Amino acid sequence: QSVLTQPPSVSAAPGQKVTISCSGSSSNIGNNYVSWYQQLPGSAPKLLIYDNNKRPSGIPDRFSGSKSGTSATLGISGLLTGDEADYYCGSWDSSLSVVVFGGGTKLTVL
Amino acid sequence: QVQLQESGPGLVKPSQTLSLTCTVSGGSISSGSYYWTWIRQPAGKGLEYIGRMYTSGSTNYNPSLKSRVTISIDASKNQFSLKLSSVTAADTAVYYCARSAGSYLSYYFYYYMDVWGKGTTVTVSS
Repeated sequence: QSVLTQPPSVSAAPGQKVTISCSGSSSNIGNNYVSWYQQLPGSAPKLLIYDNNKRPSGIPDRFSGSKSGTSATLGISGLLTGDEADYYCGSWDSSLSVVVFGGGTKLTVL
Repeated sequence: QVQLQESGPGLVKPSQTLSLTCTVSGGSISSGSYYWTWIRQPAGKGLEYIGRMYTSGSTNYNPSLKSRVTISIDASKNQFSLKLSSVTAADTAVYYCARSAGSYLSYYFYYYMDVWGKGTTVTVSS
């Protein structure tokens, strides 16, 4: 059971927008920053979003992040078939003193 | 551009010690204020934080693994390592090394992995 809660799967058509939620608590998301990772099939995770809403160099602005209270959201607009992947949220947990992750959300671009 | 590469045995016997090394290229492991982190992922499952070491030498381990984990840095070789003792089948996973950034910003703590190795599969079996 993951500390952060994500929906197991989401789907949308090419060109559409999808959002992925990540729910936590005051010991993690509520009082620390959130990051998001994309894991393409058979590959290592890749940083998509850090500090709730910042994009590393090279990540297109189709990817966005936001946070409100103890929840965070990843948005992906202009969906491409190449966006099909597993997406994970992560945050530092001040009570556990570890990085905690969501269970991952599988994005299907229909 | 910094790159990370894991190496080590792909098969470990139960009760033995799993030993992995992460080689850092394209930059010095001692430069900058980074944490050097290990994360694992059992097949078909999510990510699990194992622990980290800061360039100063301080460490942080997942409490669920703390009694069995040791992370160390060999700056002369630009490498950092993971040792996990008394392994069982539950330790079978893909193991990733990663460079991490972490600090306080406006009272909140940020911690994220910005560079990842490709991962190495470790199977625990007799």
